[in-house]
Amino acid sequence: AQSVTQLDSQVPVFEEAPVELRCNYSSSVSVYLFWYVQYPNQGLQLLLKYLSGSTLVESINGFEAEFNKSQTSFHLRKPSVHISDTAEYFCAVSAMKTSYDKVIFGPGTSLSVIP
Amino acid sequence: DAGVIQSPRHEVTEMGQEVTLRCKPISGHNSLFWYRQTMMRGLELLIYFNNNVPIDDSGMPEDRFSAKMPNASFSTLKIQPSEPRDSAVYFCASRKSGRSTDTQYFGPGTRLTVL
Repeated sequence: AQSVTQLDSQVPVFEEAPVELRCNYSSSVSVYLFWYVQYPNQGLQLLLKYLSGSTLVESINGFEAEFNKSQTSFHLRKPSVHISDTAEYFCAVSAMKTSYDKVIFGPGTSLSVIP
Repeated sequence: DAGVIQSPRHEVTEMGQEVTLRCKPISGHNSLFWYRQTMMRGLELLIYFNNNVPIDDSGMPEDRFSAKMPNASFSTLKIQPSEPRDSAVYFCASRKSGRSTDTQYFGPGTRLTVL
């Protein structure tokens, strides 16, 4: 089985400052990794995902995450945050299978961008 | 594309009443998920369907909860009888296939309050 840990439940950061949201996973098999974002009063949306290939993946709005197999981590970073980045961020993992499978979500990190 | 549609968006009911939540997945998607989100427990997977068949219902809390997917375009989650501890936001999500490499698309959620 897979599990996800997000050590920081809340991360306050000033506007235009860099931010890192930490994610660690546990799995006995190879995995796919995801970051989802939830804006207030909305459902979750996929931000980015790692399936294979380059360990650095990027989103269209400036976030990036790096898969580190040895540290079993998939931390999310942004060099300069905006007010609009205020949201809940969920790291998620799924076993690398060819058959159907579910995605396991972490507890979430609440990012608050301070003007 | 209208995305995943959920109804109602808000539901307030009294303890002991039956509650039915509805979901219309994105057309062409053949996997459907029901989640529950609370402050205390985070995002919990209740059940997921593939090709209208329940694949994993291990997250369904107890016999008071039931879910159906009579066809590819409609699913219901029923709680009977409802209790105050069922108060939460319930999300439906759909995915194009059973493979976790495909993106899960979440609906806007139904906020359930049981008095």
